[in-house]
Amino acid sequence: QLVLTQSPSASASLGASVKLTCTLSSGHSSYAIAWHQQQPEKGPRYLMRLNSDGSHSKGDGIPDRFSGSSSGAERYLTISSLQSEDEADYYCQTWGTGSWVFGGGTKLTVL
Amino acid sequence: QVQLVESGGGLVKPGGSLRLSCAASGFSFSDYYMSWIRQAPGKGLEWVSYISGSGNTIYYADSVKGRFTISRDNAKKSLYLQMNSLRVEDTAVFYCARGDSYPVTWGQGALVTVSS
Repeated sequence: QLVLTQSPSASASLGASVKLTCTLSSGHSSYAIAWHQQQPEKGPRYLMRLNSDGSHSKGDGIPDRFSGSSSGAERYLTISSLQSEDEADYYCQTWGTGSWVFGGGTKLTVL
Repeated sequence: QVQLVESGGGLVKPGGSLRLSCAASGFSFSDYYMSWIRQAPGKGLEWVSYISGSGNTIYYADSVKGRFTISRDNAKKSLYLQMNSLRVEDTAVFYCARGDSYPVTWGQGALVTVSS
């Protein structure tokens, strides 16, 4: 079964960097994913597609501070030079035949 | 610019029906898969359904299969979600989204509340 696992919460200081993790279920380590950001009281926004080889393509207007990388079944979203507006929920998402799957989301707090 | 605007949300009793609409602009609507994704209050995102550009390919999440119907009118650049036999647990903000394998553009959402 295709499942994405995310830590419920993360925190980092203003100006620092943070690396969020999304883990694909067993047997699905070759899958690409997408990262989405949801700021408080707003709709989600597409950040990037992230492939298993670490290559990624970002959405329009997404700052260079956002980057992605991969290792095995792990997919990462790194945010550098954290700003207050980066405080948000971050969701990973993938797709199989006839279905999309979302991770449970990680709530990022900027200290 | 690319824009998706949902409408049709509201309060409905358990067992009732509601039809959501999503008006698209700024892109060639018929060229894109479209989807519905929902978010229950305080919860994460849940994929509901998607439809191909031609309307020939449609899939649903198990949680809504047999109760919800997705459709589109390419001439009107509109996406729809007919929701029947609504349950309290269907209460959520419903987002319309554009994208083949993942949502690249999201709407602002429409709130559906199922309550007696």
